Amino acid sequence: GQNIDQPTEMTATEGAIVQINCTYQTSGFNGLFWYQQHAGEAPTFLSYNVLDGLEEKGRFSSFLSRSKGYSYLLLKELQMKDSASYLCAAAGDSSYKLIFGSGTRLLVRP
Amino acid sequence: EAQVTQNPRYLITVTGKKLTVTCSQNMNHEYMSWYRQDPGLGLRQIYYSMNVEVTDKGDVPEGYKVSRKEKRNFPLILESPSPNQTSLYFCASSPYIGEPQHFGDGTRLSIL
Repeated sequence: GQNIDQPTEMTATEGAIVQINCTYQTSGFNGLFWYQQHAGEAPTFLSYNVLDGLEEKGRFSSFLSRSKGYSYLLLKELQMKDSASYLCAAAGDSSYKLIFGSGTRLLVRP
Repeated sequence: EAQVTQNPRYLITVTGKKLTVTCSQNMNHEYMSWYRQDPGLGLRQIYYSMNVEVTDKGDVPEGYKVSRKEKRNFPLILESPSPNQTSLYFCASSPYIGEPQHFGDGTRLSIL
């Protein structure tokens, strides 16, 4: 079956670096997305990987290994406003269907 | 302003009373999708549409209908709502599936 796993919760300190992991099993693969969702709000797009390697965007980077079915989101220089849920989503065989993980709730402490 | 607009934002209703949640986007996007979000289960896709008059089931389509008569609109219809459809619903659109999706602000439905 198709499945995405990511940790439920993580805690980190302001100014630090945190890595949120995501493993996926899909029938076929057409890309992996990361979204950020603050409590009570809509998800907003962070990154997209379809090829192996690291994509960097300011304080956020995302890594993909297709052979391992693995991705991570790296957040540097954490700020209090980074406290949110981070959703990993994969597009499988039918690239019109997106499968989301349950999300990782990140708490950034002073 | 580029946006996805859902209405209503909140609705409390009773079992069996048909309801429609509207979704409209002003970005000329081909792809639109409906999700429900429940605690511990994340976002689950209900239906999606690749273009006008082309729709298909997501992972949890039971109890829902959609239509895509115009490119900008993608309403979600609950013909006979039941309590297990109480959830937070999001509509999303993107130029194509490989592109980032823009989400509406969400509709919180409570079915009593």
